[in-house]
Amino acid sequence: GAVVSQHPSRVICKSGTSVKIECRSLDFQATTMFWYRQFPKQSLMLMATSNEGSKATYEQGVEKDKFLINHASLTLSTLTVTSAHPEDSSFYICSATPGTSGGAPDTQYFGPGTRLTVL
Amino acid sequence: SQQGEEDPQALSIQEGENATMNCSYKTSINNLQWYRQNSGRGLVHLILIRSNEREKHSGRLRVTLDTSKKSSSLLITASRAADTASYFCARLYGGSQGNLIFGKGTKLSVKP
Repeated sequence: GAVVSQHPSRVICKSGTSVKIECRSLDFQATTMFWYRQFPKQSLMLMATSNEGSKATYEQGVEKDKFLINHASLTLSTLTVTSAHPEDSSFYICSATPGTSGGAPDTQYFGPGTRLTVL
Repeated sequence: SQQGEEDPQALSIQEGENATMNCSYKTSINNLQWYRQNSGRGLVHLILIRSNEREKHSGRLRVTLDTSKKSSSLLITASRAADTASYFCARLYGGSQGNLIFGKGTKLSVKP
C-alpha cells in the first residue's frame, strides 16, 4: 500500500521556538495532504488542507500564521509550528491522498505522527 | 459538531470473542471509512464502504452500512490481543477536498 512518512517522530522544544514537521508520500504523488492534530485520548481534528503549489486551507479556529504549511512538491508538505507554546503540545498527523478517481478522493494514507512536546 | 459518534467509547473483551463497534453520522455520505490507531501511532486504513454498499468484508473484519439510519458497524471476529487499539470511523467532508471528519473512536482492549 501507499506509504507516508513523517519526520521527526518526536520533538521536544523550548517555548518560543519554531518546529518544522515534514510529511512525505514515498511511493505516490499526493495532490492533497492534510494535517491533523490529536490531543491525548481524543479523536483527530483536521487543521488544514494543503494542495501542491497553492495556499493551504485552514479550518476554523486554526491560526494560519502560527501553523505555517508549505506544500512545495507532490511528495512533500511541511508544517511549521511557530513560537510554540506548551498548549501546542500534541500529536500531529499528516495524511496524503493520491487524488481523485472519478470523484472525491477515496482513501487517505496516514503518516505515523509526530509527538510535539513544548516545555 | 460535525464529528460522528462511536459507541461504545471503550470495549474490553477476551481473546477469541467478537468485538462490535458502531458509528453514527449526521449528514449524507459518499463513503464511510474505518481506521485503526495503536496507542501513540498513526492511523491505518482498514476498510472503506461506499454508500451503495451494505456490507463489506476484509479478513476478520466485517463492516455494515445502513444509510437510512446513518450508521455503520465494524465487527472484528475471533479477536486477538494484537487487535487492541482505538478504532475510528471517518467520513468525507467538504466535497472534493477530501477532508475527513473522524468520530470520537472506540478504544478496544483484547485480553489474552
